[in-house]
Amino acid sequence: EADIYQTPRYLVIGTGKKITLECSQTMGHDKMYWYQQDPGMELHLIHYSYGVNSTEKGDLSSESTVSRIRTEHFPLTLESARPSHTSQYLCASSEFGSMVRTEAFFGQGTRLTVV
Amino acid sequence: DQQVKQNSPSLSVQEGRISILNCDYTNSMFDYFLWYKKYPAEGPTFLISISSIKDKNEDGRFTVFLNKSAKHLSLHIVPSQPGDSAVYFCAASPYNQGGKLIFGQGTELSVKP
Repeated sequence: EADIYQTPRYLVIGTGKKITLECSQTMGHDKMYWYQQDPGMELHLIHYSYGVNSTEKGDLSSESTVSRIRTEHFPLTLESARPSHTSQYLCASSEFGSMVRTEAFFGQGTRLTVV
Repeated sequence: DQQVKQNSPSLSVQEGRISILNCDYTNSMFDYFLWYKKYPAEGPTFLISISSIKDKNEDGRFTVFLNKSAKHLSLHIVPSQPGDSAVYFCAASPYNQGGKLIFGQGTELSVKP
């Protein structure tokens, strides 16, 4: 069982509010990722990090921001939530490397609804 | 431009029979392929993977086949069980991009008793 945790599981919030989605892993993985998924669609990478103080934007443009101050923690922040941000947000981590091919472990996700 | 495609949105099979889920890709830089299982409002769970240097990988009831010349992979589940009912995602990792995954749109598998 993967040791990666996301909170909250569900969040309903009003337009304009600032929110932070938490993600923590206890596996010591350097690489962490945020994916976004709408119902019936593929997962899209929105942010990734290869280690502390390293963050990059993913393939899908997102108004969210991330930080990586500690190896185990990779929070995602929306400064001003809008209904278009309604989606499922999935955090993942991996020890994938140049010599290692391995899977990413996913948290249970946060279902965000902005009203 | 979708680099990983699962052209069947849904598949229904009888319990005990074989389930075959298909996936096509376009990017020749993919060197690692994975299958995940997902329930609504849950995170994906890893099932099985295959490196581009292999053409088959087996784990219990799950087998993944890779045909590099056709840029096609498939997941076989034998025998299928009702608990296998879920959405299955194919994913591919580009060479030298730190484990980033490109996902297909998923196939919803329904296994009927």
